[in-house]
Amino acid sequence: AQKVTQAQTEISVVEKEDVTLDCVYETRDTTYYLFWYKQPPSGELVFLIRRNSFDEQNEISGRYSWNFQKSTSSFNFTITASQVVDSAVYFCALSEVDTGRRALTFGSGTRLQVQP
Amino acid sequence: DTGVSQDPRHKITKRGQNVTFRCDPISEHNRLYWYRQTLGQGPEFLTYFQNEAQLEKSRLLSDRFSAERPKGSFSTLEIQRTEQGDSAMYLCASSLVRGSSGANVLTFGAGSRLTVL
Repeated sequence: AQKVTQAQTEISVVEKEDVTLDCVYETRDTTYYLFWYKQPPSGELVFLIRRNSFDEQNEISGRYSWNFQKSTSSFNFTITASQVVDSAVYFCALSEVDTGRRALTFGSGTRLQVQP
Repeated sequence: DTGVSQDPRHKITKRGQNVTFRCDPISEHNRLYWYRQTLGQGPEFLTYFQNEAQLEKSRLLSDRFSAERPKGSFSTLEIQRTEQGDSAMYLCASSLVRGSSGANVLTFGAGSRLTVL
């Protein structure tokens, strides 16, 4: 069975601080995808990034960066120089490919509060 | 196309009543998913469609829950005889899936929040 664990329920930082959101996953599939979504107070989940299981290169997009380590089954997300607009709930998710459904299994989310 | 639309955004009902939620996916998307999200939790998969075919419904929470996608376009999720435990956000997502590999990036709607009194 697939499982995604986000151990940090809530994180509070002051603007301009760096913050890392942790994600640990479990799967028996050899091929899978990992995702991060952002859920602002408006409620709509916004796609941030996907990564396939064969690509362990880290990725940077502006102030966002992602660290995928297959050896530790982790896919962590770092926001550099955080801003108040980054305040949201962030979800890590896993999608199997070996079955046809390819639905996402989500973690319980990490609520990030960035104080001015 | 402006994304995935869900209606209504909020629904308050009394226990025992039936409710129906509608989802209009992105027009060129062939997959449609329903999720439920309770407070403080991540979205939980319920069911999905490939065009008009419902390919999995085993995750629907009980036989009071049903979903349809009659013409492969919009979808409805109905909950009969609502209970207080059904109070949650119901999320719809759509995607375009080609072949048997590749990432399946879901685009979500803003959700329909249900409160059962």
